[in-house]
Amino acid sequence: DQQVKQNSPSLSVQEGRISILNCDYTNSMFDYFLWYKKYPAEGPTFLISISSIKDKNEDGRFTVFLNKSAKHLSLHIVPSQPGDSAVYFCAARDVTSGTYKYIFGTGTRLKVLA
Amino acid sequence: DAGVTQSPTHLIKTRGQQVTLRCSPKSGHDTVSWYQQALGQGPQFIFQYYEEEERQRGNFPDRFSGHQFPNYSSELNVNALLLGDSALYLCASSPGRRGKETQYFGPGTRLLVL
Repeated sequence: DQQVKQNSPSLSVQEGRISILNCDYTNSMFDYFLWYKKYPAEGPTFLISISSIKDKNEDGRFTVFLNKSAKHLSLHIVPSQPGDSAVYFCAARDVTSGTYKYIFGTGTRLKVLA
Repeated sequence: DAGVTQSPTHLIKTRGQQVTLRCSPKSGHDTVSWYQQALGQGPQFIFQYYEEEERQRGNFPDRFSGHQFPNYSSELNVNALLLGDSALYLCASSPGRRGKETQYFGPGTRLLVL
């Protein structure tokens, strides 16, 4: 049962344009959502997060939008740069058991073309 | 600040053997989580340690066990290795009992089971 889904395994975008990465979830008890970026041979690096009580969080070129009614979040990167080429993971924090654990999607490989 | 460190970086074992992976959390972090990332998949939560106790566990068999030491470092042990255990094993640390929403990941240990 995949509680966090990233349905697009890959995405190619021209440099300078907007990259939009999407994520869907099924569990209404998630209280935080995060995006991580992963380069080959490295661990995931935290990028940006959003609380379930917010609908938008912005940090420089990165903006995350949360639509709770649709159980959908998206990461916007504007403008996209070649250095943004990486695998992006969406993650959700599950606190239903009183402690917490993170559920990850399968990732979207972003390629920014120069 | 050294960040999260893991050892070894790579490991080759044969079926039936046992393996121990090690993790040192980021300075000031007392909670350590372990993840398994198979090829083409997102990280899958194995378990989490806080105050030297396992406080949360994912859907992994008892062959997967762990330990946390008083200095917050942690070990992941896998017994009776199977071919399907071949994966990247990631350690992540975070501060506090409830924890901030951000986990910091190490570079991972790539395990190959032959």
